[in-house]
Amino acid sequence: GAVVSQHPSRVICKSGTSVKIECRSLDFQATTMFWYRQFPKQSLMLMATSNEGSKATYEQGVEKDKFLINHASLTLSTLTVTSAHPEDSSFYICSARDGGTYKNIQYFGAGTRLSVL
Amino acid sequence: EDKVVQSPLSLVVHEGDTVTLNCSYEVTNFRSLLWYKQEKKAPTFLFMLTSSGIEKKSGRLSSILDKKELFSILNITATQTGDSAVYLCAVEVDSNYQLIWGAGTKLIIKP
Repeated sequence: GAVVSQHPSRVICKSGTSVKIECRSLDFQATTMFWYRQFPKQSLMLMATSNEGSKATYEQGVEKDKFLINHASLTLSTLTVTSAHPEDSSFYICSARDGGTYKNIQYFGAGTRLSVL
Repeated sequence: EDKVVQSPLSLVVHEGDTVTLNCSYEVTNFRSLLWYKQEKKAPTFLFMLTSSGIEKKSGRLSSILDKKELFSILNITATQTGDSAVYLCAVEVDSNYQLIWGAGTKLIIKP
């Protein structure tokens, strides 16, 4: 099956620093990638949809200046949490959608647990 | 408003039992229904269903979709402790490929 690699898996940082999370589709081209946030014991919350080569579409309530998304190639999207604060601590998950070989399925990265001190 | 409802929200059974997890949906522009398993990390893909009445099988897991009644079931036979997880149902809608998520069913298998 399709493989989506997400790095890092765990980040601990000080308040005010920026953190970059990478999401790569390893064996398929992902024209669309998604970024989610998940709080403990809750379902996934979509933050933004990212199409290769264009600006991301953010969900209501998600600050685009705080959560910068770049989808520069068909296999790589990045999420940068700028000036992170403790309330940004969460589990961030990316997914990549393959409209080709793997038939319109979203495959997920392993997630990044962000702790802001 | 599009919505996906899963039931039960949680379920505790003993090893060897068979379980059925339910997912009903009300969406416009249905494209597909997907089942995922989530343990401690991110969801792993189980099945994608697009047509009514065609059962998908993978080992002890199977799933089927009823597009007339707008629901899907996920069956797990001869459950094992390793099946303990949250099972998520999601519906992809045509407009933007986004997934509408159910709240999940937390399944606990006791030895």
